Amino acid sequence: AQTVTQSQPEMSVQEAETVTLSCTYDTSESDYYLFWYKQPPSRQMILVIRQEAYKQQNATENRFSVNFQKAAKSFSLKISDSQLGDAAMYFCAHPLGAQKLVFGQGTRLTINP
Amino acid sequence: DTEVTQTPKHLVMGMTNKKSLKCEQHMGHRAMYWYKQKAKKPPELMFVYSYEKLSINESVPSRFSPECPNSSLLNLHLHALQPEDSALYLCASSLGPLLGGKNIQYFGAGTRLSVL
Repeated sequence: AQTVTQSQPEMSVQEAETVTLSCTYDTSESDYYLFWYKQPPSRQMILVIRQEAYKQQNATENRFSVNFQKAAKSFSLKISDSQLGDAAMYFCAHPLGAQKLVFGQGTRLTINP
Repeated sequence: DTEVTQTPKHLVMGMTNKKSLKCEQHMGHRAMYWYKQKAKKPPELMFVYSYEKLSINESVPSRFSPECPNSSLLNLHLHALQPEDSALYLCASSLGPLLGGKNIQYFGAGTRLSVL
């Protein structure tokens, strides 16, 4: 079965510090992306970062980076220099075929000033 | 530009009403999606349109009726809803199924629906 597991329902971090959100997945796909989406209180699901599964180099987007361990099927998100605007629900996701996304249950991130 | 626009932002309706949700994108995407999201849960897929044809219906009750008039527009027609249908309804779009597992979905801000 295609699954995505986020084991941390809630996380909190002090402003300006670094936090890592965990995600593990299981897929039978051979060539795929992995995604982290952010959903702030404004409700829009915003694509934060994506990783191509065949690339060994970890993706980076400004303060956001991933630690992709393909053999372990692990895809964690690191947020450096946390800002108040980073407070949101974060969902890890991977494709199921060409038209479906399998989402994890989400991690609610709180930033403490 | 990765904008998907949904209207209205909020909708309150009675169980006997008929209403419609609208979703629009001008990115040239050929796949569009409807999701339902309950509080503190991930989105659940409802429908997928690919090249303006319905390609996936996740066993959604017939009181939800999707429509794709053209490649830029997606509607969700609502009729005789139940209070348990109250949720956030998200629309998404992507380039299309030919990209397989590299098909990136971009989401709108959703319509918050309350059924009384």
